[in-house]
Amino acid sequence: QQQVKQSPQSLIVQKGGISIINCAYENTAFDYFPWYQQFPGKGPALLIAIRPDVSEKKEGRFTISFNKSAKQFSLHIMDSQPGDSATYFCAASFGGATNKLIFGTGTLLAVQP
Amino acid sequence: GAGVSQSPSNKVTEKGKDVELRCDPISGHTALYWYRQSLGQGLEFLIYFQGNSAPDKSGLPSDRFSAERTGGSVSTLTIQRTQQEDSAVYLCASRSGYNEQFFGPGTRLTVL
Repeated sequence: QQQVKQSPQSLIVQKGGISIINCAYENTAFDYFPWYQQFPGKGPALLIAIRPDVSEKKEGRFTISFNKSAKQFSLHIMDSQPGDSATYFCAASFGGATNKLIFGTGTLLAVQP
Repeated sequence: GAGVSQSPSNKVTEKGKDVELRCDPISGHTALYWYRQSLGQGLEFLIYFQGNSAPDKSGLPSDRFSAERTGGSVSTLTIQRTQQEDSAVYLCASRSGYNEQFFGPGTRLTVL
């Protein structure tokens, strides 16, 4: 119940295309869903996050779509660029003292020029 | 500094030795986390500090792992009698008032 399942494991997209990464969870107590971007040799960087009271959040080329009834959320990268090539992690946490993040297994995105 | 800093960036040690990893959180962030990133286990929570409250140690994998946070700022993660399975990247994060966690660059630990 603590798991966050992420797919696909890897993704190749052409420059200008849309990259879509999906995550699913079981624990309905989760109330915060961030996405992180990680480049080799660097720590994860917070990209965008959503709470379950909204179905979509957009920041620039990045959009989170959230389906509470299906317990799924996804990251859409519009107009994908070679500089977006990185590993993306979804995560979830629930309210309480710790708010520790439960991470998905990651998606390695390669955007081809 | 503007972000979370960690030192050293890389640490190579021999099996059985003790290591200390350091984290400097973002100024003003009272909550601090340690996570571990390894090929087999992905990103996993280790320990959490919030102000003067007792830390949440529920993610520490064994009693060889310990951490402290002095003065509500700098934190050190100590691994005693290191084993090869401890090889991983150890990440520190601090949390803003908006519940956003910001990660440092990590310390890559290699146990020979």
